[in-house]
Amino acid sequence: DAKTTQPPSMDCAEGRAANLPCNHSTISGNEYVYWYRQIHSQGPQYIIHGLKNNETNEMASLIITEDRKSSTLILPHATLRDTAVYYCIVRVGGSLKNRDDKIIFGKGTRLHILP
Amino acid sequence: NAGVTQTPKFQVLKTGQSMTLQCAQDMNHEYMSWYRQDPGMGLRLIHYSVGAGITDQGEVPNGYNVSRSTTEDFPLRLLSAAPSQTSVYFCASKIVATNEKLFFGSGTQLSVL
Repeated sequence: DAKTTQPPSMDCAEGRAANLPCNHSTISGNEYVYWYRQIHSQGPQYIIHGLKNNETNEMASLIITEDRKSSTLILPHATLRDTAVYYCIVRVGGSLKNRDDKIIFGKGTRLHILP
Repeated sequence: NAGVTQTPKFQVLKTGQSMTLQCAQDMNHEYMSWYRQDPGMGLRLIHYSVGAGITDQGEVPNGYNVSRSTTEDFPLRLLSAAPSQTSVYFCASKIVATNEKLFFGSGTQLSVL
């Protein structure tokens, strides 16, 4: 089973910040939080990841709470092209030939950007 | 650089037929995996491999076989297709190292009648 809990769907007005929550209350100390998104029927696309510090890249920001039990993905200025399913996953940072490296996605959050 | 290539893009099978979904990557990634996606179910992991000669089961392995004879290829075999295997299948790959990201193929839409 997925180690994360996400709302099934969310709406956001175009041009506003989209804040997507993720609960990972059983996260271990060596597990990272990753976010991917899937636009329509395409293959998922990596967005961002982090361990305990907040992270930002050209696509989004990731805010992780101090206890690491939850996180929020922020799309600062949502556009219609951000309409997608967003997946939050947790996993151990990979080690060489780690045979327990199952990357479990879950159902994600369907984000609707409203014009 | 082609990335992760899946073939075919679409396939229709009859119940009981066998077929192989192909996945190839040209990024020298050690890790490869297969997912299926059904409406409302998100992505579910079928099988994965951390290198040539090594495969392991994911969440939903029943009815599927895999092998990894080369780093580049990770075929998914359906020995006797069933309607419950109607789905969209995605292949993904990554390097085996810390904090690496998955690269996905464009998917294969399979219908079993």
